[in-house]
Amino acid sequence: NAGVMQNPRHLVRRRGQEARLRCSPMKGHSHVYWYRQLPEEGLKFMVYLQKENIIDESGMPKERFSAEFPKEGPSILRIQQVVRGDSAAYFCASSQQTGVMQPQHFGDGTRLSIL
Amino acid sequence: AQTVTQSQPEMSVQEAETVTLSCTYDTSESDYYLFWYKQPPSRQMILVIRQEAYKQQNATENRFSVNFQKAAKSFSLKISDSQLGDAAMYFCAYRSAKGGATNKLIFGTGTLLAVQP
Repeated sequence: NAGVMQNPRHLVRRRGQEARLRCSPMKGHSHVYWYRQLPEEGLKFMVYLQKENIIDESGMPKERFSAEFPKEGPSILRIQQVVRGDSAAYFCASSQQTGVMQPQHFGDGTRLSIL
Repeated sequence: AQTVTQSQPEMSVQEAETVTLSCTYDTSESDYYLFWYKQPPSRQMILVIRQEAYKQQNATENRFSVNFQKAAKSFSLKISDSQLGDAAMYFCAYRSAKGGATNKLIFGTGTLLAVQP
């Protein structure tokens, strides 16, 4: 059973470009979470999505960042007009459901570097 | 708002010895879950152990066990018979069990564990 798949593993962008990060949850998982890890820090929650719905985006910057989880295909975290401060590791996690003790399984992350 | 604190930025242990990593948290909720995740140099996030707050019995997973003190809001991780492969960053995390909560994980800042041969 494949785990959470994130791609690309590494992404390099110049300031002002767009970054698209993809996450395919584990089979049977319909809940996706995105976290950001800045250098030398812990992971910080960004957004929680279910299929076609954003449930909680309280951790996501109001501008330039957006996320989606379409009916078909992976979840996408999109960062427009990237700046140096966006350089970080972005992790996706998925779970089967909420309300019960369902752990979140993490992907290997996408390391975003802004030149 | 809930917070998680790991007061030990770095720890070191001799191979085959035992080490305890500290974690405290702050919450006004009575029902929640606590986790320890391991992040080796490869940067994967690996679930080590989990604890439901309503359970008094401490969770154990092979060489890993926790000391959960609900009244003190403390959740320490004990690694017995430490192995070189245990070297990693360890994160403590909190998740609400409240109905309607988003179930997001709240992480501490991590403890970097070195294992000396």
